[in-house]
Amino acid sequence: EVQLVESGGGLVQPGRSLRLSCAASGFTFDDYAMDWVRQAPGKGLEWVSGISWNSGSTGYADSVKGRFTISRDNAKNSLYLQMNSLRAEDTALYYCAKDIGRIYRNPRMDVWGKGTTVTVSS
Amino acid sequence: QSALTQPASVSGSPGQSITISCTATSSDVGSYNYVSWYQCHPGKAPKLMIYDVSNRPSGVSNRFSGSKSGNTASLTISGLQAEDEADYYCSSYTISSTLVFGGGTKLTVL
Repeated sequence: EVQLVESGGGLVQPGRSLRLSCAASGFTFDDYAMDWVRQAPGKGLEWVSGISWNSGSTGYADSVKGRFTISRDNAKNSLYLQMNSLRAEDTALYYCAKDIGRIYRNPRMDVWGKGTTVTVSS
Repeated sequence: QSALTQPASVSGSPGQSITISCTATSSDVGSYNYVSWYQCHPGKAPKLMIYDVSNRPSGVSNRFSGSKSGNTASLTISGLQAEDEADYYCSSYTISSTLVFGGGTKLTVL
């Protein structure tokens, strides 16, 4: 069964850091690009970041550029999101998602995890 | 304000067809044929329904179809069923190498 399981969310104070992880199983992880997408409470979907199969290219939404870093470890079938200088507006459910292609370009996400919740509050 | 504009809500009766529009308000998204549509049921992960304007992933019902004319993409659901009631989001790749989502459309099956 193709599965993505996110972890690492929680309550964090503004300005602090948090690292999200996503464990993949049931497919050949290093054949696909991966993405992070978030959904703030009561709001719509917002793409956060994407990474190609070999980490050769990455992309970030303007709202997180310079603060968040996406990475992957193909040997561990894992995707990560390092989030620094967190703000209240980063509060959201963060989804890990598998792309249908290898290259980070035109993200099209066909498998999603259930998400991990990040709350930024003092 | 999103670069992709969707109606806040649409509704239809079982068996009918409905169309959800997605209009690019910025030239950096409208020129691409890289529009996708996602279905979101409350408490569940989003599901890819259409990609690259009109392609259906394996396993998605052929009642779902996509099209694009100029700067407006559309998702059409035919033979509306109760389980189609959900939020629908369009997305598009941009010339800035990012992905933007529309604000979402709530579909109500009457």
